[in-house]
Formats: sequence, C-alpha cells, structure tokens
Amino acid sequence: DAKTTQPNSMESNEEEPVHLPCNHSTISGTDYIHWYRQLPSQGPEYVIHGLTSNVNNRMASLAIAEDRKSSTLILHRATLRDAAVYYCANYGQNFVFGPGTRLSVLP
Amino acid sequence: KAGVTQTPRYLIKTRGQQVTLSCSPISGHRSVSWYQQTPGQGLQFLFEYFSETQRNKGNFPGRFSGRQFSNSRSEMNVSTLELGDSALYLCASSLFETYNEQFFGPGTRLTVL
Repeated sequence: DAKTTQPNSMESNEEEPVHLPCNHSTISGTDYIHWYRQLPSQGPEYVIHGLTSNVNNRMASLAIAEDRKSSTLILHRATLRDAAVYYCANYGQNFVFGPGTRLSVLP
Repeated sequence: KAGVTQTPRYLIKTRGQQVTLSCSPISGHRSVSWYQQTPGQGLQFLFEYFSETQRNKGNFPGRFSGRQFSNSRSEMNVSTLELGDSALYLCASSLFETYNEQFFGPGTRLTVL
C-alpha cells in the first residue's frame, strides 16, 4: 500500500497563507493525490485533488512536485474556519490517507 | 440536496455481538465507500461499492462485510465484535468512481465494551 506522511501539527495567523506539506513516498504513476479536511465532530470534507499538474479551486491550490513524491496544499488566506485536521491521500484502487496535520489558526 | 446520512449515530455493543450500520448516499450517487477512523490507525479504507458490486476491499478481516442495494443505500456488518473495533465508521458517496470528490457522512460512533 502507498504510504503518506504529514507533519503532526501546524500553526498559522489569520489572513496569512498556509502551506501544508505531504510526502507520498511510494505513490505510483497513476495514483491521484487528494486532500480532505475534517472539522471536529464532522466527517471529512473534500478540498482538492490532482494527478500531475497544479490545481486551483475556490478553496485552495494544490502544488504537486514534478516527481510526485510530495504535494503541498496552499490556503491563500487562512481564516478561523480553516482550523481543522487536513489529510492528504493517495488514490490508486482505493484511498490511503496520511495521518493528518492539525492546523491551528490564530486570530 | 440532502447530504450523506448514517444511522445510528452512536452505538454501544459488547464483545461477541454483531452490528449493522446503515448509509444513505446523496441522491443520484452510485458509489459508496466505508472507512474506519481510530486515534491509533487514522482513516482506513474498508470497502467500496458501485452499482451493487464490491469494487475494492481494504485490509480488514472477514468479520467486516458490506452490501449495496439497488437504490445505492449501503450497509456494513461487523460480526463477533472485538474491543479493537471501537471506532468512528464513516460512509462516503460519490457520483461515479471514487477518485472524484467524495462526500462523507457524519459517521457512526461504535463503542465495544
């Protein structure tokens, strides 16, 4: 199974950009890279996904390294509502989630 | 549009019993996946169903099983419960295959005593 690693926690100031890293050390060439986030007492929420090139949507941007061994989720201006646990995942035949990064946003 | 619903939300069982959890996907969604979430192991894939067929199964013992009905609703069953089965069980639905955006339900919190 593919393995992903993430920092345990990160902190950001409100209205500043946040870069959340993920290492996809054993990702295969056709695996998609996904990011989800989970607020307390809720199920995970989709953020963004991509395969090879960088992706943008209304929530965030996803930067994928050329060798695809790492990706970075970029929140352009963190708000207090962005405080959550962020999970990166590989999707080949099924999802393999990383351990998650707990993001704290300071006012 | 209603989101993914899971019933029951909380459940307490004793070792050796069996349990059935239910998931109703978003209307029109044909793919349903199940995940187990624990503090120690994190989010782990259990199985995925698409049009009533199991497409993939995670690395869990045969005590864990599931099925999907013609209306896309899904159930998962755990037999001979063990203490280690205590977890949040999450269901997610997607329109077609799972590599697209998944929508998760709030989960069922299972406690095994």
